[in-house]
Amino acid sequence: EPEVTQTPSHQVTQMGQEVILRCVPISNHLYFYWYRQILGQKVEFLVSFYNNEISEKSEIFDDQFSVERPDGSNFTLKIRSTKLEDSAMYFCASTQGSQAFFGQGTRLTVV
Amino acid sequence: QQPVQSPQAVILREGEDAVINCSSSKALYSVHWYRQKHGEAPVFLMILLKGGEQKGHEKISASFNEKKQQSSLYLTASQLSYSGTYFCGTESKMNSGGSNYKLTFGKGTLLTVNP
Repeated sequence: EPEVTQTPSHQVTQMGQEVILRCVPISNHLYFYWYRQILGQKVEFLVSFYNNEISEKSEIFDDQFSVERPDGSNFTLKIRSTKLEDSAMYFCASTQGSQAFFGQGTRLTVV
Repeated sequence: QQPVQSPQAVILREGEDAVINCSSSKALYSVHWYRQKHGEAPVFLMILLKGGEQKGHEKISASFNEKKQQSSLYLTASQLSYSGTYFCGTESKMNSGGSNYKLTFGKGTLLTVNP
């Protein structure tokens, strides 16, 4: 079964550093998403991406965040100057129809 | 606005039934149900697109009352594997063309099934 893959599975970074979270969506999918889940809390929408541009973003997705599809297969989330409160699980998802397929997530720990 | 789920948590013995509710203050286009095991990604269970629609997946089914802006997830004869956090996700507007959407998740309902 096709799956969304995310790397790394866990990243620890110092406050103020930049991180790039990587995702490889399912190959024929056209819509890509990033979600965040702070430990013990609900899954929160960050951004959706279609046709090489952001189609919608939440209030969480401020100038600190950016997304890119650099090579037609990877879909990246960059967090500049990380803060302690950025510590969370970050899930990538892709869709072709109505069903969203989630990756296994990257656990980001900012220390 | 995020949908409201109830109850927050429920503990069952294997074989018992449970109902998880999801309601929204906004008009809903669709309701999605996901289950998340601890430390894992949410897994899609089902989507309900029409008012009054009911769907089933094994012994898990759901209904969607578009007028009441509510959906309920029914777990019948629960199994140990049903344990996890159940999230409803709502899509409150229909996007023109394509299937781009933003899911807004509720806070989740923690279901624990004990032997």
